[in-house]
Amino acid sequence: QKEVEQDPGPLSVPEGAIVSLNCTYSNSAFQYFMWYRQYSRKGPELLMYTYSSGNKEDGRFTAQVDKSSKYISLFIRDSQPSDSATYLCAGGLGGATNKLIFGTGTLLAVQP
Amino acid sequence: GAVVSQHPSRVICKSGTSVKIECRSLDFQATTMFWYRQFPKQSLMLMATSNEGSKATYEQGVEKDKFLINHASLTLSTLTVTSAHPEDSSFYICSASPGLGYEQYFGPGTRLTVT
Repeated sequence: QKEVEQDPGPLSVPEGAIVSLNCTYSNSAFQYFMWYRQYSRKGPELLMYTYSSGNKEDGRFTAQVDKSSKYISLFIRDSQPSDSATYLCAGGLGGATNKLIFGTGTLLAVQP
Repeated sequence: GAVVSQHPSRVICKSGTSVKIECRSLDFQATTMFWYRQFPKQSLMLMATSNEGSKATYEQGVEKDKFLINHASLTLSTLTVTSAHPEDSSFYICSASPGLGYEQYFGPGTRLTVT
C-alpha cells in the first residue's frame, strides 16, 4: 500500500466550477500536509500547507485535513483555465528528516 | 520570496559521460536540500536529502556512487550523474527548505536525456 494515495484523473470541469481534489494516507507519522501545483515540465509550486485537522483557506483555495479518517482535500472555488495543472498532495514526516511523501498527482483540466 | 533555481534546465549527454546539475536558493538560506526524480505521469521520487556541510542521505535503491550530491553552502547543492546511461534519462527536481519549518520550495527542474 502506498503511503499517500491519489486518483490520477484526469479530472475535467467547466470554468467556474468548484473542484475537489482528494488524497488518503496510511502513515500515522505524518505531521503536516502540503498541496503543490505542477504545470507541465515545470517544478511543483507550493499552494497550501496544514499542520492539523481542520480547514485552511487562502483565496480561492481551501485545504482540509481529517486525521481521524486519514483524508486530505483541496478545494478550488471559481476554477479558471489557468488552474489546469497536476495537483500533488504530500505528507510530511517532520523531525530531523523533513521528508515529504508525495501522491501520484491528479491532472485537472478546467474547460473555458 | 522562496525562489529556487536550477541549471541547466535541460541537458543532452552521451552515454558514459557525467552531468552536473546545480540547485540554488536565491533569497533564503537552505539548511536542507532534496533531490527528486520524476518519470512521465508519475510522482516525485525522493533520491536523497542533503544538509549543508554533511554527507547526503540516500533513499533505498539509489546508488550514491552514481548520483553524487554536494551541499557546499547554504544556497547551493549539486547533483552529478556519473557515467550516465539512457535509463538515467528523467526529470530531476531539487527542493530547498529553510529549516525544520517544513516547507520545501522546488526548483523548475532539469530534463536530462542520455543518448
